[in-house]
Amino acid sequence: DAKTTQPNSMESNEEEPVHLPCNHSTISGTDYIHWYRQLPSQGPEYVIHGLTSNVNNRMASLAIAEDRKSSTLILHRATLRDAAVYYCILSRDSGTYKYIFGTGTRLKVLA
Amino acid sequence: GAVVSQHPSRVICKSGTSVKIECRSLDFQATTMFWYRQFPKQSLMLMATSNEGSKATYEQGVEKDKFLINHASLTLSTLTVTSAHPEDSSFYICSATPGLATGELFFGEGSRLTVL
Repeated sequence: DAKTTQPNSMESNEEEPVHLPCNHSTISGTDYIHWYRQLPSQGPEYVIHGLTSNVNNRMASLAIAEDRKSSTLILHRATLRDAAVYYCILSRDSGTYKYIFGTGTRLKVLA
Repeated sequence: GAVVSQHPSRVICKSGTSVKIECRSLDFQATTMFWYRQFPKQSLMLMATSNEGSKATYEQGVEKDKFLINHASLTLSTLTVTSAHPEDSSFYICSATPGLATGELFFGEGSRLTVL
């Protein structure tokens, strides 16, 4: 399974944008890039996903590098409720749906 | 979005007893469900893949006789921790997929097991 690398932790001030990076240099052509976040004592929550083009939804934006070897999750205005562990995961278009979680990035939002 | 529900959310049991955790896909059929375990301050660790109507596939290092998985229907998978011990205390999370081409998974709320 393709591996992802993320910084262990990041900090942001409330109301400011946050850019969470993810490296996935061994990504294959059919791998989708998924982002999930996990609040304390909860299961992971879907944030966004993409394949090649940048994506936007009500929660965040996903910027994917042209060579697809890295991506960035963008929270446009961080709030205290965005404090969570963010996971970047690749899924193969092979029907296995088997997610292997890396360490993720723990985002701390400062009031 | 699709909903996956786990029950119970919290369970406390005595050492040596068995505990069953249920995972249900509420608004879709899931041919495949996954069980994860998460220790404090750590990431999710995949334990096993549960396929409806067949035996589960366990990850390396996970004892299949200790963690019994049953996926009897397209909407229900169960994880039974047999003869639980304090070291089995953990946060157990299930996920399920309706088979989307994008590979999206939907996660349950998690079940916190405490073995005394």
